Amino acid sequence: GAGVSQSPSNKVTEKGKDVELRCDPISGHTALYWYRQSLGQGLEFLIYFQGNSAPDKSGLPSDRFSAERTGGSVSTLTIQRTQQEDSAVYLCASRWTSGGAYEQFFGPGTRLTVL
Amino acid sequence: AQSVTQLDSHVSVSEGTPVLLRCNYSSSYSPSLFWYVQHPNKGLQLLLKYTSAATLVKGINGFEAEFKKSETSFHLTKPSAHMSDAAEYFCVVKEDNYGQNFVFGPGTRLSVLP
Repeated sequence: GAGVSQSPSNKVTEKGKDVELRCDPISGHTALYWYRQSLGQGLEFLIYFQGNSAPDKSGLPSDRFSAERTGGSVSTLTIQRTQQEDSAVYLCASRWTSGGAYEQFFGPGTRLTVL
Repeated sequence: AQSVTQLDSHVSVSEGTPVLLRCNYSSSYSPSLFWYVQHPNKGLQLLLKYTSAATLVKGINGFEAEFKKSETSFHLTKPSAHMSDAAEYFCVVKEDNYGQNFVFGPGTRLSVLP
């Protein structure tokens, strides 16, 4: 595909359950970001992957949140023991990191609702 | 550390009138600056970017922004609003020196009245 894809597009879960959100970046993009956008709010940085370097996890709000990126491509964001305050749209973005092309390309997001 | 302020949470204009969405930033190094637009239930789309070339940047859909270092501003403008411009707009800053994070402003919701 030409763009960043995310799945599922919508996820409804019960409080206390674990969820996995998937991101397929644009092929060849070495950098991948996860953000969270709560209702009516801006984007909150969660985590950043760059090639084979250790990820920047400084934005993860708690140890219930984790993410991995396999083979430098697909990424999964996992939220354990979900809480109602985790309800938000989770956005993934990818970009090149060479040649000064800093533009991020965003996926459509996963809307997570925790009941 | 860098930060972004969008002075207006909501701007309302009439169709055909000019649009001004304000953005001020702080950055320790020479920043790259971006404007993204988010239409309802749609993904974020890049409108334009400034990366230390021309200070007046032209983007898609008739939008432009001017980088003013002395004022630490990067305001977004459009001469004539269209109904389809109604959306959320985010100003974003990225420091070029080693910083990997893009810092997003809180957003400005633009309403266009007929």
